[in-house]
Amino acid sequence: AQKVTQAQTEISVVEKEDVTLDCVYETRDTTYYLFWYKQPPSGELVFLIRRNSFDEQNEISGRYSWNFQKSTSSFNFTITASQVVDSAVYFCALNHMNYGGATNKLIFGTGTLLAVQP
Amino acid sequence: EPEVTQTPSHQVTQMGQEVILRCVPISNHLYFYWYRQILGQKVEFLVSFYNNEISEKSEIFDDQFSVERPDGSNFTLKIRSTKLEDSAMYFCASRPPGTGELFFGEGSRLTVL
Repeated sequence: AQKVTQAQTEISVVEKEDVTLDCVYETRDTTYYLFWYKQPPSGELVFLIRRNSFDEQNEISGRYSWNFQKSTSSFNFTITASQVVDSAVYFCALNHMNYGGATNKLIFGTGTLLAVQP
Repeated sequence: EPEVTQTPSHQVTQMGQEVILRCVPISNHLYFYWYRQILGQKVEFLVSFYNNEISEKSEIFDDQFSVERPDGSNFTLKIRSTKLEDSAMYFCASRPPGTGELFFGEGSRLTVL
């Protein structure tokens, strides 16, 4: 079964703290993509990153970094020096490909609500 | 930068009424999706559409729901007779061939009274 687990329902930190959001996934696919999306209070889904299952290199983008560990089926997201504007719900997602590739639907985790206090 | 656009951004309707949510996917994309997010919950897959037909649908997507691409640019989701539990944010997404990346619209919030 394809599944994404975000065990942390809510996290509260004080501005400038580092915070890591956990994501664990299950899939039988050998090729897949993993994503992180941010959902601010306004409700839209903001794409943050896509990672191919073949590429286990960690990635850093400004204050954001991602740690992909295929051995533990995890794709964790770290925000360094958090800011109040980082307050949002963060979703991890797995791209499930059917044999024909015609579906390629995203399976989302339940999300982690991050509250950054000033 | 091209984007997926959705209308309306918010619709309020009475229970039992028909609702049509509209989406304009990115022009060279071939795969289209509707997702739903009930307030405070996760984003759930409803349906995928490719080559003018449904390629997969979830158990949520029952006979009250339908999708179509009437004119080659719009992609619509119709709910025939809305129920209270249909209140949610509905996201449209599209995907180009050859990649796994879905591009989401900003969502249409449906409130059923």
